[in-house]
Amino acid sequence: TQLLEQSPQFLSIQEGENLTVYCNSSSVFSSLQWYRQEPGEGPVLLVTVVTGGEVKKLKRLTFQFGDARKDSSLHITAAQPGDTGLYLCAGDSWGKLQFGAGTQVVVTP
Amino acid sequence: IAGITQAPTSQILAAGRRMTLRCTQDMRHNAMYWYRQDLGLGLRLIHYSNTAGTTGKGEVPDGYSVSRANTDDFPLTLASAVPSQTSVYFCASRPEGGQANTEAFFGQGTRLTVV
Repeated sequence: TQLLEQSPQFLSIQEGENLTVYCNSSSVFSSLQWYRQEPGEGPVLLVTVVTGGEVKKLKRLTFQFGDARKDSSLHITAAQPGDTGLYLCAGDSWGKLQFGAGTQVVVTP
Repeated sequence: IAGITQAPTSQILAAGRRMTLRCTQDMRHNAMYWYRQDLGLGLRLIHYSNTAGTTGKGEVPDGYSVSRANTDDFPLTLASAVPSQTSVYFCASRPEGGQANTEAFFGQGTRLTVV
């Protein structure tokens, strides 16, 4: 059982549609991070959310940190093919940076 | 360009052989990590080091060992490779361990196949 559970595992949508990816845990985190990974590359940081209830926007991406700091979500508005990738959430646990299993997002034209 | 470098980029290894994956960073980051990535399982932490001279076990440490003799290098050793260690291995670093709001930087990965 992973510390961070992500859902769904896989998401395939048409260009222009919206999507939401979830990251849940039974543990409380001081902050959570979202990374995106493209094939053949290492993950790259998108955002860090720090305060419970915080909402951060990065162009068409909206990130939310739950009030209890146990969960987070990533919402993409009007998805584009360039949004295709593996989205990973990550959190610190006793000095260890641990990741969820990821959500593979495929956006088709 | 400053960053984190892994070597080799790929390797086919006979079962039972010893193998060391190399990882070097030039950002003077204190914390370094080794992950393996398998389909459907995301990134799983193997070992980590929050500062030179110290190491710790992650989620899946069995069959692997690490050392951190200096700030820049964090090699991962498979003492006797088995087919279940076939995976893509990523090394990462960040300025400080245990500070969840700092960015982790990743290498390009090592694709290892054990046959």
